Amino acid sequence: SQQGEEDPQALSIQEGENATMNCSYKTSINNLQWYRQNSGRGLVHLILIRSNEREKHSGRLRVTLDTSKKSSSLLITASRAADTASYFCATADNAGGTSYGKLTFGQGTILTVHP
Amino acid sequence: DTGVSQDPRHKITKRGQNVTFRCDPISEHNRLYWYRQTLGQGPEFLTYFQNEAQLEKSRLLSDRFSAERPKGSFSTLEIQRTEQGDSAMYLCASRPFVGGNTIYFGEGSWLTVV
Repeated sequence: SQQGEEDPQALSIQEGENATMNCSYKTSINNLQWYRQNSGRGLVHLILIRSNEREKHSGRLRVTLDTSKKSSSLLITASRAADTASYFCATADNAGGTSYGKLTFGQGTILTVHP
Repeated sequence: DTGVSQDPRHKITKRGQNVTFRCDPISEHNRLYWYRQTLGQGPEFLTYFQNEAQLEKSRLLSDRFSAERPKGSFSTLEIQRTEQGDSAMYLCASRPFVGGNTIYFGEGSWLTVV
């Protein structure tokens, strides 16, 4: 079953604009990871944020995590046409030894960046 | 290339046939996961291996599905008596036992059952 819900489901912007995607989840987590998926391809890991972290940066990416609201956001600054893809958040449950670190994914946000 | 490798990338099969997918994880990653992804959805967990031991199976993994990792390196996912509902992308991922929680995915194997 899907834990996370991404919002919006689709986002269309112009090159150079910022793109913000949100993710909500339901259970206690160990960490939250964001992935990108180009059409028909595998998942590319973007960034991981631990449950005790509130914000993390990587290049043009900024991720925030609010465990009290069970939500996260991914900001892509100065977007490029090459950023066009589906973006997924995935949570690793904090279920002790039985979780094995497996990820539960949301349905994703489809980002289209127009040149 | 030291990423997760999956084979074949695409498979078209007739309903009722058996198919097998292979996954070669990143070297020295002893944790291996299989996921399934249908169009417009996020990936869904199928099963998890730690070395050669299959430690967790999702309820999505019906008795027509079997996964193995005989020597704790590569893994196979077999689907017997395929059904049209099995059409999906099957993703393999791996992670080291120590050194981080990041899970690395392969390019996936597309299955179309006709």
